[in-house]
Amino acid sequence: AQKVTQAQTEISVVEKEDVTLDCVYETRDTTYYLFWYKQPPSGELVFLIRRNSFDEQNEISGRYSWNFQKSTSSFNFTITASQVVDSAVYFCALSEFNAGNMLTFGGGTRLMVKP
Amino acid sequence: NAGVTQTPKFQVLKTGQSMTLQCAQDMNHEYMSWYRQDPGMGLRLIHYSVGAGITDQGEVPNGYNVSRSTTEDFPLRLLSAAPSQTSVYFCASSSTGVDEQFFGPGTRLTVL
Repeated sequence: AQKVTQAQTEISVVEKEDVTLDCVYETRDTTYYLFWYKQPPSGELVFLIRRNSFDEQNEISGRYSWNFQKSTSSFNFTITASQVVDSAVYFCALSEFNAGNMLTFGGGTRLMVKP
Repeated sequence: NAGVTQTPKFQVLKTGQSMTLQCAQDMNHEYMSWYRQDPGMGLRLIHYSVGAGITDQGEVPNGYNVSRSTTEDFPLRLLSAAPSQTSVYFCASSSTGVDEQFFGPGTRLTVL
């Protein structure tokens, strides 16, 4: 069965600090997809990134970067020079190729960025 | 495009009442899902559909029914509401089973 663990339930940083959100997953499938979603205080879910299991290249998008390591089953998310607007709950999620539309979410990490 | 819409936004029920949460999407997506979000537990899949006429159970299906008569609509029915079903419910859609899912704004349900 697929499983996603986000061990950090809450992180608090001061603006401009870098912060890394950890995500560890479990799957028996060789083809799978990993996602990160952001849930700001307004409550909607915002898609950030999708990565398939055959692409281990790290990705950078502005202040956001993602580090995918199959050897440690991790897909960590780093925010560089954090801003107050980054305050949100961040979810990591996993979908196995043969699992239809079954997206398994981690418990989420609440990030608080203080001015 | 309205994307994924959900109604109502808020609902209060008494134990034992039934109701239907509505979900619609205008992106012609085949895949649709219902999740519930409880504090500290992330989102858990209730039911999903891979196309009109096809539905399947997710992780926490008990107490809920779904049907998919059209591509656009995917209603979630609570048969006999219980306090344990107090939660925020999200509907989502995607073009395939492994693509980005687009989420609706959520329905906050309280069962007394």
